[in-house]
Amino acid sequence: DAGVIQSPRHEVTEMGQEVTLRCKPISGHNSLFWYRQTMMRGLELLIYFNNNVPIDDSGMPEDRFSAKMPNASFSTLKIQPSEPRDSAVYFCASSSRGANVLTFGAGSRLTVL
Amino acid sequence: GDSVTQMEGPVTLSEEAFLTINCTYTATGYPSLFWYVQYPGEGLQLLLKATKADDKGSNKGFEATYRKETTSFHLEKGSVQVSDSAVYFCALSEGGNNRLAFGKGNQVVVIP
Repeated sequence: DAGVIQSPRHEVTEMGQEVTLRCKPISGHNSLFWYRQTMMRGLELLIYFNNNVPIDDSGMPEDRFSAKMPNASFSTLKIQPSEPRDSAVYFCASSSRGANVLTFGAGSRLTVL
Repeated sequence: GDSVTQMEGPVTLSEEAFLTINCTYTATGYPSLFWYVQYPGEGLQLLLKATKADDKGSNKGFEATYRKETTSFHLEKGSVQVSDSAVYFCALSEGGNNRLAFGKGNQVVVIP
């Protein structure tokens, strides 16, 4: 298995632009998580899905952030419009129900100028 | 809600030294406890876990024991190597939904 696949690995954009981050979870995993990592706040859970359905999005910072999971093998995290304070590493992780272990992707490093 | 607290600040030590990273937790139930490791430029990887009191998780020479009486899950390694340089995160599971709460992480730097 190739693991959790995230793209792009690095993104540099200007304030106000739309950013879309992508994630392919491990085949057979039915839970998917989006985390954000910054020096100041550490790892923050933004949103998670079970069986493609969003369960808890209370960690999403504001309406500029949205996430979708149209099928079991793909999820997106969108920021529109982006701001410099959104600069961070965004991680996607997946797990199978009952396994209690998350497998993380390599992350997408976002820089908003 | 459930939370995890890790000791403040980076840890710098020499090769073959003994490593301890403290982790304490607050939980209403009986969580599972985890240590994840993040090597430079990579995502987090599971290092070890324990699912009930007095369980000891171990992997790659690292150990941690689930101590319910002190609500702790300290990470230890008897003799570190330069390749152990990484950021270490303590975490606990919240309920049965695989959602994890992470500590802030500790940067460990091992000097040759």
